[in-house]
Formats: sequence, structure tokens, C-alpha cells
Amino acid sequence: QVQLQESGPGLVPPSETLSLTCTVSGGSVTSGDSYWSWIRQPPGKGLEWIGYIYYSGRTQYNPSLKSRVTISVDTSKKQFSLKMRSVTAADAAEYYCARTSSWYSAVDCWGQGTLVTVSS
Amino acid sequence: QSALTQPASVSGSPGQSITISCTGTSSDVGNYNLVSWYQHHPGKAPKLMIYEGTKRPSGISNRFSGSKSVNTASLTISGLQAEDEADYYCCSYAVTYTPPYVFGTGTKVSVL
Repeated sequence: QVQLQESGPGLVPPSETLSLTCTVSGGSVTSGDSYWSWIRQPPGKGLEWIGYIYYSGRTQYNPSLKSRVTISVDTSKKQFSLKMRSVTAADAAEYYCARTSSWYSAVDCWGQGTLVTVSS
Repeated sequence: QSALTQPASVSGSPGQSITISCTGTSSDVGNYNLVSWYQHHPGKAPKLMIYEGTKRPSGISNRFSGSKSVNTASLTISGLQAEDEADYYCCSYAVTYTPPYVFGTGTKVSVL
């Protein structure tokens, strides 16, 4: 049973870079049917795709965030990471790492989420 | 790619059935049988309840069922229970989108 756990600072100053890491346990990050994803939920709002990465390094990003976001994967550490540059108050949200399964064509595994506040 | 449209809230009494709609377009919901549904209790990880429109992952109660008509997918919860009170999100695959998925706006289910 795959489990995901987010880690990273809960407070990021405006204009700085948000950095989060997701550690994968109970499964392989090189699994051919898995796309390692980042999804966020601003307070009081719905879920929003940030993007995902395949173990080969291939990525897809939400066009509205693409210029500020980088998702990377470290297969040796069984981790994947999110970096979001030049954050503003609008980036404050609960951030989830997740696995999108091509077998289900759905997100079949989610982390617990980590709340990121943007403030000085 | 716009978010799929869901009602903001749906409520029902214990034992009743409720249905949550998820309206998209011919580019997403209408073009694929690849709608998934998620249950989200605040403070917890969202949970996959339905995939490929009608299928339940192992361990999901058969009180949850999915369907689709043209551009609208639906999630029905029968025999409503207090533990079903949560937010529910639909999500559709759409190969022309980047990433190729779009979430719904979310529905708050209340058990009266």
C-alpha cells in the first residue's frame, strides 16, 4: 500500500520560493503506471492541479502556474518535490502530493496535505 | 480548461439517497468514461470513491455509485449515513488539457 508524506516549511515569505517534498513509501517511485502529482486547495476553494512528473522526468504543469513551478523526482530517495517561485498570498493553500494512476485514470493515493501560509 | 460544475451543497436525511451532479463539456466529461469521484473530510486526505465513471476501488461501499449522461456525470449515495458528510469532488480526464485532468468545483454533503 503506497503512502505519501509531504514535508516542508509551513510559512513562506511573499516573493520567496515555496519548496515541498513528498516521500513515497510502500511502493516504487519508478512504477510505470504512476504519475507523481501536486494538487492544492486554497482556503474555502476547490482542488487545483499544479502538475505531475513521471519517473523518467517528464512533467506536465498547469498553464497558469507553469512559469513559476518546477516538479522534480529523486528515484534514489523515493521522493518528488515541488518548487514554486515568487509566491504571493494567492498561493496560500493546503498542498497535497498524490499519485495519479494511469491504471485507474484517477488519483488513487493522497498525502495528508500540508498547509502553506504566505506571510512575512 | 474550466473547472467542472458541481452544486455547492446537497443534503439528505439518514437512509435517504442523494445525487451529486458534475457538468462538463464535450471535451472532458462527454468525451471519456474517465470521471473519478473523491470524498474529502476536512483535515484528512481525499479518498478515491469512483473511477472510470462507475467503478469502485476495493473497500468502497456499494452505497456509492456513479453514472454519466452526455456531459454530466453523477455520484449517488444511497442509504445516507452520518459518516458520509464531507466534501465531494469529481474529476475528468481530458487529453487536450494540461495536466490532462480537471476537477469539479466541489459539493458539500450534509446529513440532516
